[in-house]
Amino acid sequence: GENVEQHPSTLSVQEGDSAVIKCTYSDSASNYFPWYKQELGKGPQLIIDIRSNVGEKKDQRIAVTLNKTAKHFSLHITETQPEDSAVYFCASLTGGGNKLTFGTGTQLKVEL
Amino acid sequence: DAGVIQSPRHEVTEMGQEVTLRCKPISGHNSLFWYRQTMMRGLELLIYFNNNVPIDDSGMPEDRFSAKMPNASFSTLKIQPSEPRDSAVYFCASSPGVTNEKLFFGSGTQLSVL
Repeated sequence: GENVEQHPSTLSVQEGDSAVIKCTYSDSASNYFPWYKQELGKGPQLIIDIRSNVGEKKDQRIAVTLNKTAKHFSLHITETQPEDSAVYFCASLTGGGNKLTFGTGTQLKVEL
Repeated sequence: DAGVIQSPRHEVTEMGQEVTLRCKPISGHNSLFWYRQTMMRGLELLIYFNNNVPIDDSGMPEDRFSAKMPNASFSTLKIQPSEPRDSAVYFCASSPGVTNEKLFFGSGTQLSVL
């Protein structure tokens, strides 16, 4: 089955700096890659997603890139703010849309 | 919309007891998912329904776990008998489509089995 690896497990940045979280997947049939943000005591919330026919997608301060050949995708957050502090999960969806496999999560801390 | 509503938020029970977790999906959403989150195993899909029908229950760990969706606005996840290793946060999520895309998660139920 699909295997999604996520790095780093923890990331600490200064307010205003950029943060990058990287994921790799194993199933070449995967075609949808969402990113979720989970704040303490809450459920994950979808923040951005990308499909396999697109290389990059941007939404204000966040962007996601996808390299299908290398089976890599990354989340980029620019101008980080304290409210960006949370756990971020990448995920991949295999063809047929039956199973979403999550990465292990990255604890992002934005320090003042 | 109030979003996905789960109850209870916290459940503390003793080993061997029956536990029932409840979920109300977002109105109009066709698919409902039950996930379990632990430090060791991360987010795991237990089961999902489409139009109230169970589609994939391969993630249900044992026969002690069962899930139902009697109608479009309600689902339950039951553990009987519960064991300490079942302690985790259980999330319900719903989505507007037939696939696992664009999930909307509830706030979860923190289950502790003593």
